[in-house]
Amino acid sequence: NAGVTQTPKFRVLKTGQSMTLLCAQDMNHEYMYWYRQDPGMGLRLIHYSVGEGTTAKGEVPDGYNVSRLKKQNFLLGLESAAPSQTSVYFCASSYSTFQSRAQPQHFGDGTRLSIL
Amino acid sequence: SQQGEEDPQALSIQEGENATMNCSYKTSINNLQWYRQNSGRGLVHLILIRSNEREKHSGRLRVTLDTSKKSSSLLITASRAADTASYFCATPKAAGNKLTFGGGTRVLVKP
Repeated sequence: NAGVTQTPKFRVLKTGQSMTLLCAQDMNHEYMYWYRQDPGMGLRLIHYSVGEGTTAKGEVPDGYNVSRLKKQNFLLGLESAAPSQTSVYFCASSYSTFQSRAQPQHFGDGTRLSIL
Repeated sequence: SQQGEEDPQALSIQEGENATMNCSYKTSINNLQWYRQNSGRGLVHLILIRSNEREKHSGRLRVTLDTSKKSSSLLITASRAADTASYFCATPKAAGNKLTFGGGTRVLVKP
């Protein structure tokens, strides 16, 4: 059972470079999320998707773009990396909420990204 | 601003002791979730308690919810070294099953 898989696990970039983080889930979840976690802090939502072909902004979307071309994949892009984007990035997925009943989120193990 | 705030920020106990951590939140919610994060890993869902529930158990975990005080607590009984982790509470935020996470409580269980 793979669950949520994130690639790569580690990456070092130079300021101004671009890259894409890939998230794949095999649980047939409708919803997917990208978070960042900074030292001593909880997670902050960057972007999320409630279905294939849809994306929406979260709490801290600036500097990031996302795409959900396939239900199982959610891509996070950094067009021009900045040192402030040094963080650990987590992808999560969940079933859709039915009759407003909340669903737990399932997380990958993160991508540790350093921007020099 | 964070919806949920955990207290204490860090907790150190001996194996076998109980660990209690609290979460306070600001706005009305219909559920609250607790997650665990081991070092270098992603978050793992522990338990979800709905607003019409006051207490919920899962193995050695006991969660309470007091909606009048806008607070929740997580109790880990008979702690083990493997319980060493950070624990986060999360509250729902609008549609899309979005969550707002607190800053977490770091728990160290010493053998």
